[in-house]
Amino acid sequence: AQKVTQAQTEISVVEKEDVTLDCVYETRDTTYYLFWYKQPPSGELVFLIRRNSFDEQNEISGRYSWNFQKSTSSFNFTITASQVVDSAVYFCALSEESGYSTLTFGKGTMLLVSP
Amino acid sequence: EADIYQTPRYLVIGTGKKITLECSQTMGHDKMYWYQQDPGMELHLIHYSYGVNSTEKGDLSSESTVSRIRTEHFPLTLESARPSHTSQYLCASSGEGLKLEQYFGPGTRLTVT
Repeated sequence: AQKVTQAQTEISVVEKEDVTLDCVYETRDTTYYLFWYKQPPSGELVFLIRRNSFDEQNEISGRYSWNFQKSTSSFNFTITASQVVDSAVYFCALSEESGYSTLTFGKGTMLLVSP
Repeated sequence: EADIYQTPRYLVIGTGKKITLECSQTMGHDKMYWYQQDPGMELHLIHYSYGVNSTEKGDLSSESTVSRIRTEHFPLTLESARPSHTSQYLCASSGEGLKLEQYFGPGTRLTVT
C-alpha cells in the first residue's frame, strides 16, 4: 500500500529565509505521480505541482523549487526567500497508476513565516 | 483556475438532523472526491466517483452517503448528524488521462452540537 510521510509537523522561519519541506513516499508501483498542495488559512487546497515517476528533473517556479529523487523516495519542496504570504499548511500526495486517480496525502507541514 | 463550488461554507446544526453538503464543478470532470479533514490537518478520502452512477467508499469509513446523478454534481448526505461528524469537508474533482491533479473547492466547515 502507498504511504506518504511528512516528518515535519510545523516549521517556523523569519521572512527571507529559505525553507525546505520534506516528503518521503512508499509505493510498489513503477508508475506513480507526486503532488504538492498548499492550504492557506482560508482552507482551500491549491494545487502547486505534479511530477511523474519517470521524470526526475527538478523544477523551479519563481521562488518555489522541487527536488525529486527516486533513489531516496523523496520529493522535497524548497521555498527561497520566504514571505509572510507563504504561511500555510503544505501537503505532499501520491497517486499510483493502479490507484485509479485517488490521492494519498501526507499529514501536512504547517509553515509559519514571521516578518 | 478551478471552478468547483461547495455550499454551505459553514454549517452549525443540532444532533440528529439530516444534512446535505453540496458540491458542483463546471469543468466537465468525470472524477469527483470527498475528503474529511480533522483538526490535526490530516486529509482522509471518504468517497469518490468516476462518473455518473458510480460511487465508491474511500479509505476512511464514513456514515455519510453520496450520489452522482449528474456529472457536475456530487452531494454528500448525513442522515443523522452527530458531534463526531464535526469536521471540515472538502470536495475535489479531476480530469481525464494524465491530468491527475485534483482541484478542490473551498470546503464546508460542519459543527454538530
